[in-house]
Amino acid sequence: SQELEQSPQSLIVQEGKNLTINCTSSKTLYGLYWYKQKYGEGLIFLMMLQKGGEEKSHEKITAKLDEKKQQSSLHITASQPSHAGIYLCGAAATSGTYKYIFGTGTRLKVLA
Amino acid sequence: DGGITQSPKYLFRKEGQNVTLSCEQNLNHDAMYWYRQDPGQGLRLIYYSQIVNDFQKGDIAEGYSVSREKKESFPLTVTSAQKNPTAFYLCASSIVVPGQGFSTEAFFGQGTRLTVV
Repeated sequence: SQELEQSPQSLIVQEGKNLTINCTSSKTLYGLYWYKQKYGEGLIFLMMLQKGGEEKSHEKITAKLDEKKQQSSLHITASQPSHAGIYLCGAAATSGTYKYIFGTGTRLKVLA
Repeated sequence: DGGITQSPKYLFRKEGQNVTLSCEQNLNHDAMYWYRQDPGQGLRLIYYSQIVNDFQKGDIAEGYSVSREKKESFPLTVTSAQKNPTAFYLCASSIVVPGQGFSTEAFFGQGTRLTVV
C-alpha cells in the first residue's frame, strides 16, 4: 500500500531562519496536499500540488512537487513563531479507492 | 457557514464500553474519512466512505465500526474490541472529482479526544 514518509520528524529553529520539510511517497502521487495542525486541533489546508515540477507559494511558504511526482518539499522563509505546529503531507489515492492518506508529520518549533 | 462538526470535543469511556463519535458536514461532500492520531504521530486512516451506504476499511479498522446512512453524517463507534482506544480522532470530508478518480483537499473537524478511564 502507498506510504508517505516525512522528514525530519521534528525541527527547532530560531526565528528568522529558513527551513525545509520533505515528503516522500512509495508510489507516484496523484495529488499532494500540505496541511498545518495546531496542537490538539484539526488540520488547516495549505496547498495542493498535482503536476510534476509544480511549485506554489503562499506568503512565506513554498511547496514543490518533483517531476516524478514522488517527492514534495515545503519551504518556509524567515520563520516566525506563528509558523509553529505540525505539518503533514497528504495524498489522494489513484482511481478506484478514494483513500486519503497522510505522512508521519513534522513538528516545528520556532524560538523567538 | 459550511463546515464539518465533530462532537463531543472530549470523551471519557470506561473499559469495556462502546462509544460513538459524531461527525456531521454541510459541505455537500461525497467522501468522508475517520483518522486516529496518537501523540507525536501522523494520521492513520480508520474508515472512509465515498457514497451513502458504502464504506471501506482503512489501515487500522479493527475495533471500530461506522455507518453512512446520510450523506452529511459519518459516525464512528469505538467498540470494546479496540485494545488501545485513547487517542485524538479526526473526521474529514472531501469532494470526489467525477471521472477523475481522486479526491480534492480534505476539510477537517476540530477533533474528539477520547480517553479510557
